[in-house]
Amino acid sequence: GENVEQHPSTLSVQEGDSAVIKCTYSDSASNYFPWYKQELGKRPQLIIDIRSNVGEKKDQRIAVTLNKTAKHFSLHITETQPEDSAVYFCAASIPGTYKYIFGTGTRLKVLA
Amino acid sequence: GAVVSQHPSWVICKSGTSVKIECRSLDFQATTMFWYRQFPKQSLMLMATSNEGSKATYEQGVEKDKFLINHASLTLSTLTVTSAHPEDSSFYICSAQPTGVIGEKLFFGSGTQLSVL
Repeated sequence: GENVEQHPSTLSVQEGDSAVIKCTYSDSASNYFPWYKQELGKRPQLIIDIRSNVGEKKDQRIAVTLNKTAKHFSLHITETQPEDSAVYFCAASIPGTYKYIFGTGTRLKVLA
Repeated sequence: GAVVSQHPSWVICKSGTSVKIECRSLDFQATTMFWYRQFPKQSLMLMATSNEGSKATYEQGVEKDKFLINHASLTLSTLTVTSAHPEDSSFYICSAQPTGVIGEKLFFGSGTQLSVL
């Protein structure tokens, strides 16, 4: 079945620097890859997503890249701000179902 | 965006009691909803898929008699933790996907922190 690995588990960056979080997936038929941001005790919020027919998507300071051949996708946050501090989860769709498999999460801390 | 409401947000109960958690999609219909469990500093673990009008499908290792799921309408799914014990204490989150094409966005409820004494 689908397996998603996420790295790093924790990431500290200085305010204004960029942050990159990487995920790999195992099922080449997966075709949808969302990223969620979760603040402590709150619900995960979708921040960006990408489908398998696209290689890159950008939304202001956030971008996601997808390499289907290598089966990995990455989240890029530029000009980080303290409010970007949270746990970020990647996910991959399980082909033919409504399910997603989530990565193990990355705790991002942006230092002021 | 679509809104998913989850209640209660937190609950404290005595060991042996049952607790019901509701998940509602407020502005869309959801044939399928999902229930997750999340331990501190860990990822979302899918427990079961709730299907409107039919039985829920449970992930491996999740006791269906322990975690009862009912999805009686296109906007409401409930999770009942029966005979709760301290080890059931956790953060439970639901999610819903607008009825339609597989692979559409998931929207999450606000979560329920369950503490069993």
